[in-house]
Amino acid sequence: GDSVTQMEGPVTLSEEAFLTINCTYTATGYPSLFWYVQYPGEGLQLLLKATKADDKGSNKGFEATYRKETTSFHLEKGSVQVSDSAVYFCALSTLGNTPLVFGKGTRLSVIA
Amino acid sequence: SQTIHQWPATLVQPVGSPLSLECTVEGTSNPNLYWYRQAAGRGLQLLFYSVGIGQISSEVPQNLSASRPQDRQFILSSKKLLLSDSGFYLCAWEGGRTAGTQYFGPGTRLLVL
Repeated sequence: GDSVTQMEGPVTLSEEAFLTINCTYTATGYPSLFWYVQYPGEGLQLLLKATKADDKGSNKGFEATYRKETTSFHLEKGSVQVSDSAVYFCALSTLGNTPLVFGKGTRLSVIA
Repeated sequence: SQTIHQWPATLVQPVGSPLSLECTVEGTSNPNLYWYRQAAGRGLQLLFYSVGIGQISSEVPQNLSASRPQDRQFILSSKKLLLSDSGFYLCAWEGGRTAGTQYFGPGTRLLVL
């Protein structure tokens, strides 16, 4: 079945450091790919998405590019802030009316 | 615009007591609706999803049940709570112009003592 694998956390970075959170997927068909962010005590928020190969999703300084050849959707940000501390989930969607498949989440802590 | 509400925000219940969590969506019609649970420090576990009124798919057999009495209302219930039911419960919707993308509610934190 479909699956998402993302790097294990926690990830601890200093403010202004470069961030990469790896995400790879296995899917039948042609999935859409997502990154969600969960701040402490809150629900998940859609951060960015991409629906076809080579699409780049971007939001709030975060970027991820849909790489079909490597089945990857790595999340990057050039300069993290303390306010980026959260749990990040990678997810995919294939057919309509079927649930998203989520990775296990990666906790990011940014220290000043 | 669409909004999703969950209540209560926080709940403390004794073991063996019943449970009812409610989720409602505004601003869209015939959404797909989802219930997830997140145990402390863990990932998301899909519990139930619904593609229409009265249509419920269960992903994990357990102490919980779900119902969809109205198009934009999704209820999570239990007759007798267990300690292991503690967690953060998230409702999500999908549909309309944003089909394929799920949007989450603020969550309900449940502590069973």
